[in-house]
Amino acid sequence: NAGVTQTPKFQVLKTGQSMTLQCAQDMNHNSMYWYRQDPGMGLRLIYYSASEGTTDKGEVPNGYNVSRLNKREFSLRLESAAPSQTSVYFCASRVQKWNREVDGYTFGSGTRLTVV
Amino acid sequence: GESVGLHLPTLSVQEGDNSIINCAYSNSASDYFIWYKQESGKGPQFIIDIRSNMDKRQGQRVTVLLNKTVKHLSLQIAATQPGDSAVYFCAENVSRNTGKLIFGQGTTLQVKP
Repeated sequence: NAGVTQTPKFQVLKTGQSMTLQCAQDMNHNSMYWYRQDPGMGLRLIYYSASEGTTDKGEVPNGYNVSRLNKREFSLRLESAAPSQTSVYFCASRVQKWNREVDGYTFGSGTRLTVV
Repeated sequence: GESVGLHLPTLSVQEGDNSIINCAYSNSASDYFIWYKQESGKGPQFIIDIRSNMDKRQGQRVTVLLNKTVKHLSLQIAATQPGDSAVYFCAENVSRNTGKLIFGQGTTLQVKP
């Protein structure tokens, strides 16, 4: 049981390049999230998937796209990377309880992305 | 608007002392709050949570207090240890349906030996 796994752990891109950040969870969780964390700041929500087959924008979606490939996997794509997207990206998942009560999340260890 | 903020960016305490980290939130409709610990180079780690129908919850060496009247949340760590040194974030759930969290900016806890 690995929890939430993110790949790669580190990546350097040139401005304009594209790449996909991968996230997978093995806890059978319904909901998955992508956050970014900039230095000295808290996490900000980019996109989320409340359940398999659905995706929605968060606070800072511009410049990103997502795919909920199946219940386990939720990928984040940068089509044309910009220096402003230099950040640490965290994927998280949580289970949706029957009474819709929210419970603690499980976070991955992050992807450190630098765009030069 | 919706926001969660922490009162102090850095808190320095002596090993063995108690630590109190504060958080203010602005969305009175939030019904669930979480404290996370983040060590350097790692993802946020769940510490403790509290629902809005409670005003106190205790864990192992940690206590969370919720004051809905003034929209204030605090994390108390008893007998602080060097291993407690990290950045602490509070987060509020703004939508039960989606589970979206709003994070504060974080407080760095430094424990002096």
